[in-house]
Amino acid sequence: AQKVTQAQTEISVVEKEDVTLDCVYETRDTTYYLFWYKQPPSGELVFLIRRNSFDEQNEISGRYSWNFQKSTSSFNFTITASQVVDSAVYFCALSEGVGFKTIFGAGTRLFVKA
Amino acid sequence: DGGITQSPKYLFRKEGQNVTLSCEQNLNHDAMYWYRQDPGQGLRLIYYSQIVNDFQKGDIAEGYSVSREKKESFPLTVTSAQKNPTAFYLCASSVSWTGDYNEQFFGPGTRLTVL
Repeated sequence: AQKVTQAQTEISVVEKEDVTLDCVYETRDTTYYLFWYKQPPSGELVFLIRRNSFDEQNEISGRYSWNFQKSTSSFNFTITASQVVDSAVYFCALSEGVGFKTIFGAGTRLFVKA
Repeated sequence: DGGITQSPKYLFRKEGQNVTLSCEQNLNHDAMYWYRQDPGQGLRLIYYSQIVNDFQKGDIAEGYSVSREKKESFPLTVTSAQKNPTAFYLCASSVSWTGDYNEQFFGPGTRLTVL
């Protein structure tokens, strides 16, 4: 069965600090997809990144970076030089290769203080 | 601009009433989804539709119903059989259900409160 664990319920940092959000997943499939979404206070989830199981390359997009490690079943998300606008709930999600639904983690609420 | 619209933004319902939440997308996506989010929790799948005129139950379908008569529309009805309907409801769509185009794009949500 597939499962996504985000052990950090809430994180609070001061602006300009770096912060890493952890995501650990479980799946028996060899083909799967991992996602990160951001939910700002407005409520709408915003898609950030999708990574398939055959692509372990880390990715950087501006201040955001993602570290995918199949050996530890982790897909962690780092925000460099955090800003107040980064305050949101971040969800990690997993979907298996064919015909399976996407499972979301419980989310990590990030507070960035000025 | 392409996107997903949900209406209304806020909805109040009396106990025993059915209510319908609207979800429309102009992204030409095949797949659409309804999720429920309770305070401090993740998303739980209510129903999904892989293609027009087809839909499947998710994890918490009891007390809900949907239709998919048009590709762009996927309304959700919360019936009186749903015992605790107060929640935030999110609609989403994706190019396809599986494969390399399954990232979901979300609407702004509807907050339903039962009085």
